[in-house]
Parts: sequence; structure tokens; C-alpha cells
Amino acid sequence: DGGITQSPKYLFRKEGQNVTLSCEQNLNHDAMYWYRQDPGQGLRLIYYSQIVNDFQKGDIAEGYSVSREKKESFPLTVTSAQKNPTAFYLCASSPTGNSYNEQFFGPGTRLTVL
Amino acid sequence: KQEVTQIPAALSVPEGENLVLNCSFTDSAIYNLQWFRQDPGKGLTSLLLIQSSQREQTSGRLNASLDKSSGRSTLYIAASQPGDSATYLCAAAYYGNNRLAFGKGNQVVVIP
Repeated sequence: DGGITQSPKYLFRKEGQNVTLSCEQNLNHDAMYWYRQDPGQGLRLIYYSQIVNDFQKGDIAEGYSVSREKKESFPLTVTSAQKNPTAFYLCASSPTGNSYNEQFFGPGTRLTVL
Repeated sequence: KQEVTQIPAALSVPEGENLVLNCSFTDSAIYNLQWFRQDPGKGLTSLLLIQSSQREQTSGRLNASLDKSSGRSTLYIAASQPGDSATYLCAAAYYGNNRLAFGKGNQVVVIP
């Protein structure tokens, strides 16, 4: 089956910990995206990558880091510098690296800070 | 600023009625507009993508229209069913911008 997988589905973080959220796609898409979703706020773009070994900050990149070493993988690290990380995190991909293409989403990871 | 607005935030309709959801955007330099469905605790599922050169796009009971001059897209769902209960989001892609602008969504409940 082609698609986007995210793991884990639920993640709990203690104060001061870094955690990494996984996103993998087998759609052979060039571009991948990370969004954060909070109740009543809609989706906000954290980071995006248009091609392997390249990525750009989105609107709320502070406290997050990413890497894009392989085409199919785009992990997101939530660092201790992110003061309010509790949210629903969504990964997406699109065929090429511009917003003109249809975006496809993974099932999401819910992160909770204890 | 390229903003996308969806009003109302929540609505309910009786089963069998047609659903009409509106999405307003502020910039007419829109390239395309995408409608998504989101079930609670799940990711987004793409429903329809309508290009700026198109007036409408159809898939089964779903029909999306796009009017650039008025800055509005409408999603119609014919003969609504309880399984249509979900949050519907629209997202606009603009020329020269590498990111989508998302609305906050319409939370829909179809009452049996």
C-alpha cells in the first residue's frame, strides 16, 4: 500500500526532554511537510523539505529541528526549547516541491507533555 | 496576508439534507484550492482539488466550486449521511508561495 506513516501514534514527553517523531512515505514524493494542529488554531507549518538534504523553516520553527537524509523519511525533533509542545503533529507529502500539488497526509502523532 | 476563512466553525444538519460549506480567501492570485476531511484524532484525507482555471470539480456526492472574483469556494455534499460527520478544511495554494494557507475548518454533525 502506498502512503504516509507516522509513529508513534501517541507520545509522552517529560519536561526538558527531546523527542523525535517519525514520518515515512513510499509515494516517491519529493516534498515533505510538518504541521502542528491545536484546537481552534488550524494547521500551522513547522518545517518543509522540497528535496533531499534541503529543508526550510515554516511559520513556527522555533524549538523544532528536522533532517532529510533520505527521500522517504522526514523526522521531526521536538526539543526542550519548545515551551508548549502538546499538540497533534501531522506530516504530509506532495509530488514536487511547491504548494501547487495535492498534499497527502499521514495519520498524525499526538504529543503530550507530562 | 493570504488568509483563508471558514464560517461557521460548527454546524449540524438532519440526515438527507444537502450540506453547503464555504471557504473564503483574501488573495485572488490563487493557484488551486484543496478540500480535506478530518475525522477526530486522525489525519487529513484529500477530497477534491480544484484548479484556478476550473469552475468546479466533482467526486460522487461531493462537488466543489471556485469563484476567484468573489474569493470563495463552496463544497456541496448531496444527501448527507451520518458518516459525513467530520471536520472539513480547505487550503489555498498561491502563485509564488511554497506553502498552503489553511482554514480552521467546519465541524459538521449529520443528525440521524
